[in-house]
Amino acid sequence: DARVTQTPRHKVTEMGQEVTMRCQPILGHNTVFWYRQTMMQGLELLAYFRNRAPLDDSGMPKDRFSAEMPDATLATLKIQPSEPRDSAVYFCASGLVLPLGRGYGYTFGSGTRLTVV
Amino acid sequence: KNEVEQSPQNLTAQEGEFITINCSYSVGISALHWLQQHPGGGIVSLFMLSSGKKKHGRLIATINIQEKHSSLHITASHPRDSAVYICAVRSQTSGSRLTFGEGTQLTVNP
Repeated sequence: DARVTQTPRHKVTEMGQEVTMRCQPILGHNTVFWYRQTMMQGLELLAYFRNRAPLDDSGMPKDRFSAEMPDATLATLKIQPSEPRDSAVYFCASGLVLPLGRGYGYTFGSGTRLTVV
Repeated sequence: KNEVEQSPQNLTAQEGEFITINCSYSVGISALHWLQQHPGGGIVSLFMLSSGKKKHGRLIATINIQEKHSSLHITASHPRDSAVYICAVRSQTSGSRLTFGEGTQLTVNP
C-alpha cells in the first residue's frame, strides 16, 4: 500500500531551537496538508498545498512557522524558534483532489510527536 | 455550536455488539470523511462519502445530505476496533480543508 512518510517520528528539543519536520506524500497526489493535534484543540489545519503551491496557511502562526514544498516528493514544516506550546503531534496528509469537489480520501502519515522543553 | 458534532463522545461495548457512531454537521459539504485513530497511533482514513452508503468489511458508513447527518456502523465488534473515530467534513466553501468533529472514543471489551 502507498504511504505518506513522515520524519522524524519523535522529536524532543529545547525551547528556542529550530525544528524541521518532513513529509513524503504519495506519488500522484496533488494536495498536501499539515495538521496539528493536541489534547486541548484536537486536529487543526495548519496549511495545505495544491500542486506544490500554498493554498491556505491561515491556521499557521506566521511569525514562527513556515511550510514549503521544494518538490513534489517533499513537504516541510519548520518552527523557528520553537516554544513549549508547540508540543503536539504534527500530521501530514496527502490526497488527490479533482475539480468540482470530487476526489478520493486523504492518506495520513504516522505523525511527528514534538516535545519542546 | 461546532460545525461538526459527534455522538456519543464515549462508547463502551461488548465484543460482538453492533455499534453506531453519529455525526451531524451544519454546513453544506462536498464530502465527509470517517477517520480512525488508535492510541498513540496514526490516523487512518476509513471512508470518504458524498452520498449514499459505503461498506468495507465490517464497517458501513451512510450519509443523508438533506438531513446533514452521517453514521458509522461496526458489525460484530472486536476489541481491536477500540480507537477514536473522527468525523470530518469538507465544506463547499472551504476548498479542500477538513473540519473535524471531536471524536468518539470506542472501547470494545472481550
